[in-house]
Amino acid sequence: QSVLTQPPSVSGTPGQRVTISCTGSSSNIGAGFAVHWYQQLPGTAPRLLIYGNSNRPSGVPDRFSGSKSGTSASLAITGLQPEDEADYYCQSYDTNLSGSGVFGTGTKVTVL
Amino acid sequence: QVQVQQWGAGLLKASETLSLTCGVYGGSFSGYYWSWIRQTPGKGLEWIGEIDYGGSTNNNPSLKSRVTISRDTSRNQFSLKLNSVTAADTAVYYCARGSVEKGWAFDYWGQGTLVTVSS
Repeated sequence: QSVLTQPPSVSGTPGQRVTISCTGSSSNIGAGFAVHWYQQLPGTAPRLLIYGNSNRPSGVPDRFSGSKSGTSASLAITGLQPEDEADYYCQSYDTNLSGSGVFGTGTKVTVL
Repeated sequence: QVQVQQWGAGLLKASETLSLTCGVYGGSFSGYYWSWIRQTPGKGLEWIGEIDYGGSTNNNPSLKSRVTISRDTSRNQFSLKLNSVTAADTAVYYCARGSVEKGWAFDYWGQGTLVTVSS
């Protein structure tokens, strides 16, 4: 059972801006642990999209951005592209689980 | 370029031991945390545990008593053993590198291994 909650799905048209929320608690995001975001295309392994709340690895387009506030975090996709249709997961760590890694419930982004 | 490749048995019977190995190529094994993560349709992504270069491990409390993670630094490999498997352990298993400089984000992943447990 995931301790980080995401909306099951979000959708948008090409060029639109969409956001995905990741809601945690005082034992994970609120405890100061960084939030990371992953993109997963069908049949492939997750790919790191955002690390340390708001940093993009090399090769990730700048239309992807992340932010964190309190016990929540958000991923924004600005200028949605058809190739952005995928599942997205947030990830952090949790003190109640002995520092275990925890993932969000996942969000399916559909490009209409 | 870092590559992470994994291998192991994909079909098990209930009560057997799951065994997977991950090899790291083109990059350093030291200075990183090496994790196992699994994914099921019902429970999503679940972190199983990790090992660092020095051999210290940290496992998910929900699986702790059944999980053993080890490493072979001479071969740049690390392994997962999960004993007494049941149908609930059917999942795609991934190995991944945790990067301290990226806040322990998983920046390189193996290709995934589908493990099916039959009764």
